[in-house]
Amino acid sequence: DAMVIQNPRYQVTQFGKPVTLSCSQTLNHNVMYWYQQKSSQAPKLLFHYYDKDFNNEADTPDNFQSRRPNTSFCFLDIRSPGLGDAAMYLCATSRGIEETQYFGPGTRLLVL
Amino acid sequence: AQTVTQSQPEMSVQEAETVTLSCTYDTSESDYYLFWYKQPPSRQMILVIRQEAYKQQNATENRFSVNFQKAAKSFSLKISDSQLGDAAMYFCAYRRSQGNLIFGKGTKLSVKP
Repeated sequence: DAMVIQNPRYQVTQFGKPVTLSCSQTLNHNVMYWYQQKSSQAPKLLFHYYDKDFNNEADTPDNFQSRRPNTSFCFLDIRSPGLGDAAMYLCATSRGIEETQYFGPGTRLLVL
Repeated sequence: AQTVTQSQPEMSVQEAETVTLSCTYDTSESDYYLFWYKQPPSRQMILVIRQEAYKQQNATENRFSVNFQKAAKSFSLKISDSQLGDAAMYFCAYRRSQGNLIFGKGTKLSVKP
């Protein structure tokens, strides 16, 4: 089945230790998104890629970076995680900007 | 700036009954899209229903239907014949043409057997 896959589902890291979250898709969609969702809150868009074009949201902290080496994969890098970065991180894809977004299961990040 | 408001943090419904979740939004755009997403506990978010603002007819997907009131900027979700599997967090979302999804804070729906 075509889908959006996120690995790992749970990630524990230490305060200040860089961490990378992974997203892959078999939908061959052009757009990939990263959202941060804190407990009991709405998902908040961090950035997205349209093909290789990177689009950062204005209020996304510099601590968050992203890479998209090919159509199928997109990575979220957190350079120096703080306690406030503990959250669920959702990856989503869409064929185009105006198309429906399909979400992965998320990676829950815990910062110790 | 566009905003999406879900005024009901939690709702509860008896199995087989009908429940309506409320959503209002604020925009000055005329061309936009509205969505309801469902996020079950520890599972991924899935699209429930989608409405294009230019369409007057309310969208329907099986037991799920919306009441779209464009002038009032209201977009409620009705779930008929509620099932235990409908228990989840429901997010209302807005997207203007060529824009990003803006989510409401969500409504947690419980279904009682």
